[in-house]
Amino acid sequence: AQSVTQLDSHVSVSEGTPVLLRCNYSSSYSPSLFWYVQHPNKGLQLLLKYTSAATLVKGINGFEAEFKKSETSFHLTKPSAHMSDAAEYFCVVISTFSGGYNKLIFGAGTRLAVHP
Amino acid sequence: DAGVTQSPTHLIKTRGQHVTLRCSPISGHKSVSWYQQVLGQGPQFIFQYYEKEERGRGNFPDRFSARQFPNYSSELNVNALLLGDSALYLCASSLRWGGTANEKLFFGSGTQLSVL
Repeated sequence: AQSVTQLDSHVSVSEGTPVLLRCNYSSSYSPSLFWYVQHPNKGLQLLLKYTSAATLVKGINGFEAEFKKSETSFHLTKPSAHMSDAAEYFCVVISTFSGGYNKLIFGAGTRLAVHP
Repeated sequence: DAGVTQSPTHLIKTRGQHVTLRCSPISGHKSVSWYQQVLGQGPQFIFQYYEKEERGRGNFPDRFSARQFPNYSSELNVNALLLGDSALYLCASSLRWGGTANEKLFFGSGTQLSVL
């Protein structure tokens, strides 16, 4: 069964400093992994996805993530935090069920706070 | 173009009541998925519908049901509400079946259900 574990429930950074949100995955085969962001009172937005192509994936708003099979990790990073990055971030893996259809399995989330 | 729209945005019910939540997918999208997000947790998959047929169901009791209409809009119904059903209910749409690596999901802002 596929699953993801987000290692930090809260992360706090100062504006202009790097961001690191950690995610480990468990999968019996090569996984498809995503990062989603959720701002208050807004829907979930896809930041980036990994689908077994390049291990370093670039997303929107300056975010990127690196797939490391040896560490079963898919950490999200950004070189310089902006106030608008404050939100809830979810690491997600796809799980396939019978009939070939898929569902998203979300981690518990990491709340990112950005201070001036 | 309108995104995924959900109604109502907020709802308060009492235990034992029934509730119907509605979702309109992006124009042209034929797949709708429903997720439940309890406070402090990541969203959990409830249902997926594609071309008006149920294609997948998560680990939820039979009190939860859904359907998809010919115009691809969808309803989520919950009977005999429990306090634990209080959550943000998210709808997502995609062109075809959702949740695959190559099929982008678009999420609505959700319906916040409070059960008293």
